Amino acid sequence: NAGVTQTPKFQVLKTGQSMTLQCAQDMNHEYMSWYRQDPGMGLRLIHYSVGAGITDQGEVPNGYNVSRSTTEDFPLRLLSAAPSQTSVYFCASSSDRDNQPQHFGDGTRLSIL
Amino acid sequence: GDSVTQMEGPVTLSEEAFLTINCTYTATGYPSLFWYVQYPGEGLQLLLKATKADDKGSNKGFEATYRKETTSFHLEKGSVQVSDSAVYFCALMNSGGSNYKLTFGKGTLLTVNP
Repeated sequence: NAGVTQTPKFQVLKTGQSMTLQCAQDMNHEYMSWYRQDPGMGLRLIHYSVGAGITDQGEVPNGYNVSRSTTEDFPLRLLSAAPSQTSVYFCASSSDRDNQPQHFGDGTRLSIL
Repeated sequence: GDSVTQMEGPVTLSEEAFLTINCTYTATGYPSLFWYVQYPGEGLQLLLKATKADDKGSNKGFEATYRKETTSFHLEKGSVQVSDSAVYFCALMNSGGSNYKLTFGKGTLLTVNP
């Protein structure tokens, strides 16, 4: 019963490098989201998807791209990493039935030097 | 827009003490309300939820009641344990099936000492 799986768990990048954070869920959930967690800020929504082929921006989308080619996977791409993107990133998924809670992965801790 | 305000931490209690973490919200419509818990090094786990006014969510000895008149969803536990040490997040999801978007409070760090 894997739930939501995020890889890698830790990553250190240099400014300007690119990378992709992976997220996969095995619950056949339609909705998937990416959040970033920063000290004193709670979690803020970066991008979300309501189904395969459909994505949209959240509260803090700048510097990030997403795609949703399958129901299971929702990768988050940093095209040119900046120190301001140092954060813990969480992927979440949920059913499209009303009021169903989101299920979170264990997070990716990303440091940009 | 929607917003959640929860009490600033950190909160430090002794084992078996009573816990209250305050949470108030601003939202249009009729949101669902959640408490999530984050143990050290882990992701967020749903602790409890309430989907309409006067509903009480409960789990693992924690309770919270959806008070529409005061726009509040305070978390309570009668007797905390060391294992309850974690960060607690209050969150809302607005009505209309927007399950992709939770609005979170900033989190409250709880430390319980033996």
